[in-house]
Amino acid sequence: AQKITQTQPGMFVQEKEAVTLDCTYDTSDQSYGLFWYKQPSSGEMIFLIYQGSYDEQNATEGRYSLNFQKARKSANLVISASQLGDSAMYFCAMRPGGSEKLVFGKGMKLTVNP
Amino acid sequence: GAVVSQHPSRVICKSGTSVKIECRSLDFQATTMFWYRQFPKQSLMLMATSNEGSKATYEQGVEKDKFLINHASLTLSTLTVTSAHPEDSSFYICSASKLAGPYEQYFGPGTRLTVT
Repeated sequence: AQKITQTQPGMFVQEKEAVTLDCTYDTSDQSYGLFWYKQPSSGEMIFLIYQGSYDEQNATEGRYSLNFQKARKSANLVISASQLGDSAMYFCAMRPGGSEKLVFGKGMKLTVNP
Repeated sequence: GAVVSQHPSRVICKSGTSVKIECRSLDFQATTMFWYRQFPKQSLMLMATSNEGSKATYEQGVEKDKFLINHASLTLSTLTVTSAHPEDSSFYICSASKLAGPYEQYFGPGTRLTVT
């Protein structure tokens, strides 16, 4: 069965510091995709970054990077230089091979303090 | 860009009435659209997957006669909550995936439904 685990219920970080949000996944598929989404208090889900299971390099998008460790089945999101606007819920998700569906983790709340 | 709109953003209706929620992909064609439900402080729960021109595929435990989904075109899907009851009150979010690419889903802003 496909499963995403986000064990950190909440994190606090000081503005301008880097923060790592943990995500582990479970799948027997060889091909899959990993995603991170941000959900501010307004409710919309914002796509942040994608990592394919066959990608050899870690994905990066601006201040976001994905620390992909395939053997450990982890896909941690690293946010560099946190900003107050980064305060939100963050969801890790996986798209199993051959499926368009996403399996979401429970999410974790990030609070950036000034 | 990949913008998905959802309308209305908030709706309050009386118990027993039906409510229609629209989901549109504004600047791309979507192979598939998805409907999710999110309870407070919880993750997204997939309700159904819809493809243009075909019947929606509902997840286990989701009543297809209660939550009617119509996918009229590559840019429009609608969710109708029929005979709504207070327990249907929730945050409903749609998403759409592009015809090409890693199939990341782009989400609408969500609809807050309150049934009184």
